[in-house]
Amino acid sequence: QQQVKQSPQSLIVQKGGISIINCAYENTAFDYFPWYQQFPGKGPALLIAIRPDVSEKKEGRFTISFNKSAKQFSLHIMDSQPGDSATYFCAASGLTGGGNKLTFGTGTQLKVEL
Amino acid sequence: DAGITQSPRHKVTETGTPVTLRCHQTENHRYMYWYRQDPGHGLRLIHYSYGVKDTDKGEVSDGYSVSRSKTEDFLLTLESATSSQTSVYFCAISESVSGGYTFGSGTRLTVV
Repeated sequence: QQQVKQSPQSLIVQKGGISIINCAYENTAFDYFPWYQQFPGKGPALLIAIRPDVSEKKEGRFTISFNKSAKQFSLHIMDSQPGDSATYFCAASGLTGGGNKLTFGTGTQLKVEL
Repeated sequence: DAGITQSPRHKVTETGTPVTLRCHQTENHRYMYWYRQDPGHGLRLIHYSYGVKDTDKGEVSDGYSVSRSKTEDFLLTLESATSSQTSVYFCAISESVSGGYTFGSGTRLTVV
């Protein structure tokens, strides 16, 4: 059972364009929604995160939009650059006694072309 | 990755042999996790730890065991490796119960 569904699987964007990656979750107990960026041969790195008390969070060119009623959240990369080419994972977790166990989406391979 | 080291980085092993992967942290973080990454599946939780000697199963724990005898070390053991366990394994640490993870650089394991 996949609790976090991510789309698209791959994405090609022209330099300067907007990259949009979408995720949907099922568990209403989730209350923390991070995005991770992974370059080949490296571990995922935290990019940006949001909690459900806000509908949007922006950090530089990266923005998370969150829709609690639809149980969806998305990552927008403005002015996409070739250096943004990487795999992006959305994730979600809820507080439990055993720590915030993140459930990840299946990933989106982003390629930004010149 | 600063503060978290995985070893080995690469390993090839034969079916049926035991394998132990090590995760070492210098951040004194309470929470540690083992994930495997496979194409089309993203990252899936194998086991996690919320303190010394406190561990629990994740969604894909069959065939794996873990141990945490010290805060800084979290070991993942494949008791009898199978080809389906060929994967990239990532360790992650978390300081708090509600924060982000820091991942290690991964171990690429091939079972032949």
